[in-house]
Amino acid sequence: QQQVKQSPQSLIVQKGGISIINCAYENTAFDYFPWYQQFPGKGPALLIAIRPDVSEKKEGRFTISFNKSAKQFSLHIMDSQPGDSATYFCAAAAGSNYQLIWGAGTKLIIKP
Amino acid sequence: GAVVSQHPSRVICKSGTSVKIECRSLDFQATTMFWYRQFPKKSLMLMATSNEGSKATYEQGVEKDKFLINHASLTLSTLTVTSAHPEDSSFYICSARSTGTRGFNEQFFGPGTRLTVL
Repeated sequence: QQQVKQSPQSLIVQKGGISIINCAYENTAFDYFPWYQQFPGKGPALLIAIRPDVSEKKEGRFTISFNKSAKQFSLHIMDSQPGDSATYFCAAAAGSNYQLIWGAGTKLIIKP
Repeated sequence: GAVVSQHPSRVICKSGTSVKIECRSLDFQATTMFWYRQFPKKSLMLMATSNEGSKATYEQGVEKDKFLINHASLTLSTLTVTSAHPEDSSFYICSARSTGTRGFNEQFFGPGTRLTVL
């Protein structure tokens, strides 16, 4: 019940295309859903996050879509660029310490 | 955004020695810090949660006597890998949760420490 399932494991997208990564969860107590971007040899960096009271959040080229009834959320990267090539992790959190439950990660490669 | 630093960024040590990794929140106070371990091409694995001034809470399967965590102040937590062995080689990452108005529920991550035990 604590798991967050992320797909796909890897993704190749042409420059300028839309990258879409999906996550699903079971625990309805989760109330914070962040996406992190990680480059090799670096720590994760918060990209964008959403709470279940909204269905979509957009920041620049990055959009989170959230479907509370389906218990799914996804990251859309519009106009994908080679610099977006990285590993992306979804996560979910609940509780006083907001301990993050992590997805398995998606390695995204943007082809020039 | 909030900045979290880790030191050292890389460390190579001999088997049997102890290694200390520092995690600092540079421009905010963190009541809670987290320590993660990450294997190549894998997700982050939470090792322990530490609250300032109290004992760390370790995840199941993490040896508390091997991975000593001290959260002595609102800006500093340390992880000491005691009597390190080659299987402890990994990428260790800390994060700090903001206690102030700067995105209260956000965790800010350090750049990580690559530990190699020979």
